[in-house]
Amino acid sequence: AQSVAQPEDQVNVAEGNPLTVKCTYSVSGNPYLFWYVQYPNRGLQFLLKYITGDNLVKGSYGFEAEFNKSQTSFHLKKPSALVSDSALYFCAVRGYNFNKFYFGSGTKLNVKP
Amino acid sequence: DGGITQSPKYLFRKEGQNVTLSCEQNLNHDAMYWYRQDPGQGLRLIYYSQIVNDFQKGDIAEGYSVSREKKESFPLTVTSAQKNPTAFYLCASSIARGITDTQYFGPGTRLTVL
Repeated sequence: AQSVAQPEDQVNVAEGNPLTVKCTYSVSGNPYLFWYVQYPNRGLQFLLKYITGDNLVKGSYGFEAEFNKSQTSFHLKKPSALVSDSALYFCAVRGYNFNKFYFGSGTKLNVKP
Repeated sequence: DGGITQSPKYLFRKEGQNVTLSCEQNLNHDAMYWYRQDPGQGLRLIYYSQIVNDFQKGDIAEGYSVSREKKESFPLTVTSAQKNPTAFYLCASSIARGITDTQYFGPGTRLTVL
């Protein structure tokens, strides 16, 4: 079965500090992993994805994610947080049926000035 | 939110009524999806469709119905059989042609049962 877990409901960070939002996965076969961001009362916006290749994936708005196969993790990172980064972040994995995606429960990121 | 539109943005329903949520995309995507979002529960898949005139149940299909008569459109009907329909509903689409496929989301419809 395919699944992802986001162990933190909420992450608090000060503006200008680095941020990490954690995601671990469980898949049969190769993992295809995604990060999305959601602002209040809005749809999800695609940030980045890992399909194959480099373990460090760069995405939109200065975000990047590090794929670690041995730890089955795909943590989202940003070197310097902005107040405007405050939002709900979702990790997702593509299923064995490529057209099904499985989402984590979400992590609320709070960036304080 | 790209080329996916959902309407209405807010919808109020009386108990016992069926309501239909609209989802349209102009991305020429083959696959379309409906998710339900509740606080603290992430996204749960209701139905998905990979091609016109074909769709499959997701994890929480009971009380919902869909149709896919056109590639661009994937309306969701919330029936009176859905016991707790108050939620935020998200439509998504993807090109559905390989492992690099990415889902793109509409802006959502917030349904409230009065």
